[in-house]
Parts: sequence; C-alpha cells; structure tokens
Amino acid sequence: AQTVTQSQPEMSVQEAETVTLSCTYDTSESDYYLFWYKQPPSRQMILVIRQEAYKQQNATENRFSVNFQKAAKSFSLKISDSQLGDAAMYFCAYRRGYQGGKLIFGQGTELSVKP
Amino acid sequence: DVKVTQSSRYLVKRTGEKVFLECVQDMDHENMFWYRQDPGLGLRLIYFSYDVKMKEKGDIPEGYSVSREKKERFSLILESASTNQTSMYLCASSLSGRNQPQHFGDGTRLSIL
Repeated sequence: AQTVTQSQPEMSVQEAETVTLSCTYDTSESDYYLFWYKQPPSRQMILVIRQEAYKQQNATENRFSVNFQKAAKSFSLKISDSQLGDAAMYFCAYRRGYQGGKLIFGQGTELSVKP
Repeated sequence: DVKVTQSSRYLVKRTGEKVFLECVQDMDHENMFWYRQDPGLGLRLIYFSYDVKMKEKGDIPEGYSVSREKKERFSLILESASTNQTSMYLCASSLSGRNQPQHFGDGTRLSIL
C-alpha cells in the first residue's frame, strides 16, 4: 500500500525568507502524481503544485517549487519570499496515474509566517 | 472557478442519530470524494464515486454510507452517529483524466455528543 509521510508537524519562517517542507512517500508504482495542497485557516483546501512522476523537471508555480527525488521517494516544497498569506496547513498527497485515482495524504505541516 | 458546496459549516448531533452531510459541485465533475480530517492523521478517504449511482469504499468506510443519485450531488450518511465520528469532513470533486486535480469544499465540522 502507498503511504505518504510528513515528518514536520510544524514549521516557522520569517517573512521574505525561504522555507522547505519535507515529504516522503512509499510506492511500488512507476506511474503516479504528487501534489501539495494548502489549507488556510478559512479551511478550503487549494492546490499549490503538482508533479508527474515521469517528468524529470521539477514543477514550479511562481514562488512555489518542488524538489522531486524519485529514487529517494522524496517530494519537498520550497516557498521563496514567504508572505503572511502563506501561513496555512500544507498537505503532501500521492495519486496513482490512472484516471480518477484517490489521493493519499500525509499528516500535514502547519506553517507559520512571522512578520 | 469550480465551486464545491457543503451544506453546513458546523453541525452538532447526538449519539445514535442518522446524519446526512451534503455536497454539491457545479462543474459537471464525474468524480466525487468524501474525506475526514483529524489532527495528526491528515485526510483519510471514506468513500468515492466515479459516476451516478456508483460508489467505492475508501480506507475508512465503516459506519458510513453514501448516495449519488445525481451527478452534481454526493451525500455522506452516518447511519448511527457515534462520538468517534466527531471530525472535520471534506468533500472534493474532479474531472476524470490523468492530470485532473481534486477541488475541495469548505468542510463541515461535525460534533457528536
């Protein structure tokens, strides 16, 4: 069975600094997707970034980027130039490559941003 | 923008009651999902549905059932609520397709007394 582990329950970053959130996963599949979701205090979960396992290039969305290490089964999220609005719970998630596959989530990392 | 609407933000029920949580999406998505979210455990999948009248068990289906009579609506049913079902419940939907992300509702904070 696939598992996703986020070993950092809480992280803190100074405004304008860079922070990296860790995620590891375990799977025997070769075709899968990885996601980072953000859940602000208002609670609606939103997609931050996604990565397809077949793609070598790390995904980037503005200030958010990932470091995808397929052999190590590691998928970390880097937030550059942190802003107060980045404060949220962040979840790493895994999904098999076939369509409609269910998401498997990590435990979450609560990120606080200090002004 | 995709809109996933959950009928209640907060709900308080009593042990043994039958509880209905409703979810509606407005983007003609084929797939719909129900998760529960607990501190330290992340989100765990209860049930999901790929089509009208279709349902599949997730990782923690015990004590729950679902109904999908119309494409836009996916209901979660607690047959006989128990205190260990006190949790945050999140509904999500997605299009079919390899690269389609799930879109989430605001969540329902359910307390069983």
